[in-house]
Amino acid sequence: DSGVTQTPKHLITATGQRVTLRCSPRSGDLSVYWYQQSLDQGLQFLIQYYNGEERAKGNILERFSAQQFPDLHSELNLSSLELGDSALYFCASSSWSSGTSYNEQFFGPGTRLTVL
Amino acid sequence: AQSVTQLDSHVSVSEGTPVLLRCNYSSSYSPSLFWYVQHPNKGLQLLLKYTSAATLVKGINGFEAEFKKSETSFHLTKPSAHMSDAAEYFCVVSDMRSSASKIIFGSGTRLSIRP
Repeated sequence: DSGVTQTPKHLITATGQRVTLRCSPRSGDLSVYWYQQSLDQGLQFLIQYYNGEERAKGNILERFSAQQFPDLHSELNLSSLELGDSALYFCASSSWSSGTSYNEQFFGPGTRLTVL
Repeated sequence: AQSVTQLDSHVSVSEGTPVLLRCNYSSSYSPSLFWYVQHPNKGLQLLLKYTSAATLVKGINGFEAEFKKSETSFHLTKPSAHMSDAAEYFCVVSDMRSSASKIIFGSGTRLSIRP
């Protein structure tokens, strides 16, 4: 058990809809990361938040957004869903901060999103 | 610019024989390198990490990796494969010099173990 929790485990929705995925980081970790894993694109980094602020952006679509709340949990919002958005979405957390020499991330179990 | 290449998409070995999963990286700065393992329908688990200390890194479950700067490689090895090692393995490079952490995952290597 990594200490990172994600809800829900599974989500089935229709095209055009909007969903919210939730992540709670390990106790004490200020950094949260979101990843998308699909068969055709592999594991892709979407976005990082550090202590409530966006820190790094990867291949995140404009239809997707995220935020990190004062209690450090994070939400990933996916809107105008398309069939191609079906994937596993992982959240990870780390104790990274500016000046940290490395970045060991702890992954949650993922949310499997199916868009029909 | 950073990149990471896992040279084999699929590796199959017999139980009890050595495992070699190959990873080459490209980084403008001194990188941090990691190997993660993902068992079916599970999240990713850190196997080991290189952070510019010893070049031979020992991880969990008997895995090791050697950082070779001259070859820009960070191959993962295990002397004797076990059935429970069957999983997907990801090599990861992280550049910590930027103000935000940049993490790049390799495309993954699926390890199969034959009885």
